Amino acid sequence: AQSVTQLDSHVSVSEGTPVLLRCNYSSSYSPSLFWYVQHPNKGLQLLLKYTSAATLVKGINGFEAEFKKSETSFHLTKPSAHMSDAAEYFCVVSTTGGFKTIFGAGTRLFVKA
Amino acid sequence: DAGVIQSPRHEVTEMGQEVTLRCKPISGHDYLFWYRQTMMRGLELLIYFNNNVPIDDSGMPEDRFSAKMPNASFSTLKIQPSEPRDSAVYFCASRPGAEFTEAFFGQGTRLTVV
Repeated sequence: AQSVTQLDSHVSVSEGTPVLLRCNYSSSYSPSLFWYVQHPNKGLQLLLKYTSAATLVKGINGFEAEFKKSETSFHLTKPSAHMSDAAEYFCVVSTTGGFKTIFGAGTRLFVKA
Repeated sequence: DAGVIQSPRHEVTEMGQEVTLRCKPISGHDYLFWYRQTMMRGLELLIYFNNNVPIDDSGMPEDRFSAKMPNASFSTLKIQPSEPRDSAVYFCASRPGAEFTEAFFGQGTRLTVV
């Protein structure tokens, strides 16, 4: 069965410093992996997705994620945090074929001025 | 396309009443998902459909919850009778039936049961 674990419930960074949000997945087959962002009282927006074409995936707003099969990880990074990045971030796995789409518990990112 | 459309955006109801949440997926998408978001439990997958057929309803919390998809352009999630612990934001999402495609989410329905 597929599952996804976000290793930090909260991450706090200063503006201009790097961001690292960690995600590990469990999957019997090659999964589809995604990161979504949710700003307060807003809907869910896709940041990026792993499509198997490349292990380093670039998304919107300067975010990247690297797929590491050996570590079953799909961590999200950004070189320099901006105040507008403060939000909740979800790592998502979708099963191969069945397309059951499961969310991690979320990581709330705080950005300090 | 207007995206996934959910209605109503907000619903306040009294305990014991029936509540129906509605969703119009993106045209051409084969899969439709219903999620519930709460502070305590995060985003839970309740049920999902493929070509209007329920595939996995293991996330539906109890018999008070039911979901239908009578055609490719409409789905409902019904709670009868509603309870205060059902208060949450309910999201509907749809996606194409192809590998490595993402789900597109509606804006959600904020349900408050008093």
